[in-house]
Amino acid sequence: EVQLVQSGAEVKKPGESLKISCKGSGYSFTNYWIGWVRQMPGKGLEWMGIIYTGDSDTRYSPSFQGQVTISADKSISTAYLQWSSLKASDTAMYYCARQLAVAGNMGYFDYWGQGTLVTVSS
Amino acid sequence: SYELTQPPSVSVSPGQTARITCSGDALPKQYAYWYQQKPGQAPVLVIYKDSERPSGIPERFSGSSSGTTVTLTISGVQAEDEADYYCQSADSSGTYGVFGGGTKLTVL
Repeated sequence: EVQLVQSGAEVKKPGESLKISCKGSGYSFTNYWIGWVRQMPGKGLEWMGIIYTGDSDTRYSPSFQGQVTISADKSISTAYLQWSSLKASDTAMYYCARQLAVAGNMGYFDYWGQGTLVTVSS
Repeated sequence: SYELTQPPSVSVSPGQTARITCSGDALPKQYAYWYQQKPGQAPVLVIYKDSERPSGIPERFSGSSSGTTVTLTISGVQAEDEADYYCQSADSSGTYGVFGGGTKLTVL
């Protein structure tokens, strides 16, 4: 059974750093992309970026380029999303999802994690 | 950056047909995908590659594409279909992905 299990909820202060995780199991981790999706309170889904866990090739949305870093450790089948300096506007639910590749196209997310709630408040 | 446009809301009575549109300039070049999200839950894929239905998704869900618009159709809407629906695609070069703003489907 394919599973993506995300790390628990976080409460941080503005300016602090943070790294959240997403551990994949039940499939060959290094043969797929993992993506991150933001959902701010009461708002829609936002595509942040993806990483190919086999070689760490990474793509970012222009809206998130330079704001976050996506990485992966294939030895432990885990992808990460990190911030160096959080802002209150980073308060959101963050989902990881496995992306199925589609030749010549951006792929789609077929399995999702349960979400990690990040709250940034002074 | 690239954007996909969806209507904020659609309302239908049970048993009727709901159509949710998604417009974007790159849709003739890039597939569209549709997700259903219910409150407090992670999204679920309901349509991939414009019109393909994943296993386990009811046959009443279908997708179509015409030019710069893709459409999610739910035939014979049931109360359990009330949810937010999001289209997803990519910029014309397939470099990054994008979601539409989402459509809240209300079953009257």
